[in-house]
Amino acid sequence: NAGVMQNPRHLVRRRGQEARLRCSPMKGHSHVYWYRQLPEEGLKFMVYLQKENIIDESGMPKERFSAEFPKEGPSILRIQQVVRGDSAAYFCASSPLETGGEQYFGPGTRLTVT
Amino acid sequence: SQQGEEDPQALSIQEGENATMNCSYKTSINNLQWYRQNSGRGLVHLILIRSNEREKHSGRLRVTLDTSKKSSSLLITASRAADTASYFCATERTGANSKLTFGKGITLSVRP
Repeated sequence: NAGVMQNPRHLVRRRGQEARLRCSPMKGHSHVYWYRQLPEEGLKFMVYLQKENIIDESGMPKERFSAEFPKEGPSILRIQQVVRGDSAAYFCASSPLETGGEQYFGPGTRLTVT
Repeated sequence: SQQGEEDPQALSIQEGENATMNCSYKTSINNLQWYRQNSGRGLVHLILIRSNEREKHSGRLRVTLDTSKKSSSLLITASRAADTASYFCATERTGANSKLTFGKGITLSVRP
């Protein structure tokens, strides 16, 4: 059973460009979470999705950031008009349970904005 | 606001010694989890303890939970150089769905 897959692993964007980060959860997992980690910091929750539904987006910046988890295909975290402050590691996690279970993390996408 | 606060921030020990890491949190929780992160890598789940549990073991790991003090500790016994990593506690808050709130982490260095 393959783990959580994220791609790309490294992404370089110039200021003003768009960044698209993809996450394929573990087989059988219908709950997907996105977290952001700044250097020397812990992970900060961004958004929690189930298939075709955003359950909790309380950690998402109000502008430029969006996420989706379509019926078919991976979950996508999209950042429009990137700025230097968006440089971070973005981790996706999946879980088979709605609550009370461990989350399985992907290797992360390291976004660098130049 | 930061839910999990680990301490110490950094810990350096000799191989074979025990490492104790602490975590405090602020709100009521469903469970508390510990994760490990090697430099530049993703997180690996170590252990989960539910709010109605007080102690749990997994191999060389022992975790305790004191809900009255809102604190947890992670003990790694007989440490190895391969245990060198950052360790994070994360809480699943009561009534806040299953999202996790992480602390800033503890950097553990185990000297061979």
